[in-house]
Amino acid sequence: QQPVQSPQAVILREGEDAVINCSSSKALYSVHWYRQKHGEAPVFLMILLKGGEQKGHEKISASFNEKKQQSSLYLTASQLSYSGTYFCGTETGNTGNQFYFGTGTSLTVIP
Amino acid sequence: KAGVTQTPRYLIKTRGQQVTLSCSPISGHRSVSWYQQTPGQGLQFLFEYFSETQRNKGNFPGRFSGRQFSNSRSEMNVSTLELGDSALYLCASRSWTGDAYEQYFGPGTRLTVT
Repeated sequence: QQPVQSPQAVILREGEDAVINCSSSKALYSVHWYRQKHGEAPVFLMILLKGGEQKGHEKISASFNEKKQQSSLYLTASQLSYSGTYFCGTETGNTGNQFYFGTGTSLTVIP
Repeated sequence: KAGVTQTPRYLIKTRGQQVTLSCSPISGHRSVSWYQQTPGQGLQFLFEYFSETQRNKGNFPGRFSGRQFSNSRSEMNVSTLELGDSALYLCASRSWTGDAYEQYFGPGTRLTVT
């Protein structure tokens, strides 16, 4: 039931764009996105709900395709600070459900 | 507001011992979840507490238990420690935003079992 993320790793130059995908085999209620830097805790980026709108945060946005149980995270004009491991997290309901983290995507932005 | 705090930050224990980890959520957050993070298994959900009740539990053995107090502070206990329990244990608290909960993590407790 762990969501699968792709790609596993990506290297970008500053200013380039990237897309990270998250796919689940279960019908989803919500998808969360987090970024974790080495040695630190995951940091919440955004949450997308079933039936909700595409979300945006600075130059990072995300979408949720309910029919395909997929979510995508879009990073535009990447900055060095975007480096880290990105995780999606999924829930099948809004209460009393297990929270599953994805397999993670390592993103490295180089000058 | 102060963030999620966890104590202790680092811990070294011996196989067979037990350990208790503590988590204080963001003020006003009533939901606290615990996660285990290891290089091999990634981030795995342990359990969630809401208003002092365990609302959901992940696929971990009964050696892993938790509780939540009336002030929303939570503790996690692991009994009869095994080498494989070495991990970063993360606590997260959640706030209500419309129909969903945003989740904020504490810095974690790094547990090493020798």
